[in-house]
Amino acid sequence: NAGVTQTPKFQVLKTGQSMTLQCAQDMNHNSMYWYRQDPGMGLRLIYYSASEGTTDKGEVPNGYNVSRLNKREFSLRLESAAPSQTSVYFCASSEFTGLKGETQYFGPGTRLLVL
Amino acid sequence: GDSVTQMEGPVTLSEEAFLTINCTYTATGYPSLFWYVQYPGEGLQLLLKATKADDKGSNKGFEATYRKETTSFHLEKGSVQVSDSAVYFCALSSSNDYKLSFGAGTTVTVRA
Repeated sequence: NAGVTQTPKFQVLKTGQSMTLQCAQDMNHNSMYWYRQDPGMGLRLIYYSASEGTTDKGEVPNGYNVSRLNKREFSLRLESAAPSQTSVYFCASSEFTGLKGETQYFGPGTRLLVL
Repeated sequence: GDSVTQMEGPVTLSEEAFLTINCTYTATGYPSLFWYVQYPGEGLQLLLKATKADDKGSNKGFEATYRKETTSFHLEKGSVQVSDSAVYFCALSSSNDYKLSFGAGTTVTVRA
């Protein structure tokens, strides 16, 4: 049981290049999330998918797109990378039971540097 | 909108010292409150949580009590170890939503 996995672990891009960050979970969770972590700002939600087939914008969606490929996989795409997108990206998942206090489970993160 | 404010770090302590990290929140209704911990080089993991007023969450010697009157959820541990060195995040999910809002994080370093 690997939990939430992310690839790659680290990536360097030049401004204007594109890339896709991959995320997969093996816990049969319904909901998945993409966050970015920047110093002094905690984690901010980029996009989320409440269930397979749905995606919605979070707090900071500009410059990103997502695809919920199936129940297991949720990818994040940067079409034209900018230095402001240098960050650590975390994927998370949760069951979405509708109950209060639902736990989210996080992957190990992808460190992205845009030059 | 909902928000979380937690004490700024970094915090440096000696082993066996008492740790407190303050967290206050702004939210309508009755949010759920969480503490997540991020060990070096890893993703976040849930440390503890509370879903209603006066609930106490506890795990690994850490405790936090949901105080609605002061809108607070302060994290405490009576005797820290070097292995508690990590970044600690306070977070909330509002009463009608499951998305998390995070505080900025507090870096804690425990010296032997």
